[in-house]
Amino acid sequence: GIQVEQSPPDLILQEGANSTLRCNFSDSVNNLQWFHQNPWGQLINLFYIPSGTKQNGRLSATTVATERYSLLYISSSQTTDSGVYFCAVGMAGTASKLTFGTGTRLQVTL
Amino acid sequence: NAGVTQTPKFQVLKTGQSMTLQCAQDMNHEYMSWYRQDPGMGLRLIHYSVGAGITDQGEVPNGYNVSRSTTEDFPLRLLSAAPSQTSVYFCASTPGGEWETQYFGPGTRLLVL
Repeated sequence: GIQVEQSPPDLILQEGANSTLRCNFSDSVNNLQWFHQNPWGQLINLFYIPSGTKQNGRLSATTVATERYSLLYISSSQTTDSGVYFCAVGMAGTASKLTFGTGTRLQVTL
Repeated sequence: NAGVTQTPKFQVLKTGQSMTLQCAQDMNHEYMSWYRQDPGMGLRLIHYSVGAGITDQGEVPNGYNVSRSTTEDFPLRLLSAAPSQTSVYFCASTPGGEWETQYFGPGTRLLVL
């Protein structure tokens, strides 16, 4: 099956700093999503981005499908950004079958 | 809309007991899935469904059963609980078609003694 690797595994930032999270995947995909799991365990979908670039406020994501990686940018980080960020991938027409990476744990300090 | 709801929030079982984790969504989504999350790991797919009456196995299906008699509900049954099934269980739904964003429920934390 598809392998998904995320880096770095852990990241500590001061409030206001920027960061880049990376997701590498081992095979061609047609479905790539980024999720944020907050400290209370809730999973929130950030982006559905199988290719190209999207932005939502301080967050943006870029997927280069031909090179099998995706990047999540967090600018001007806030303490509420803390949590675990997951990348998940799947093949076309497999909306229910996502393979998740092991996540990047982000802690934003004052 | 309530979105994706899961009950119970927390459950303790003894080895060998059976139980059903409930999942419901009110968004008329076609696709639904069950995942488990173990400490320090990502989510792993247990079972999924692409519509009422249609289910299939994911990556870690052993010890679990599912059914999908309605679009709204997708219960997960543990047949004979084992300590290895101690985990947090998440249900998710997706509209289907080109709209493949997954929406997750709040999770059920299960402890098997």
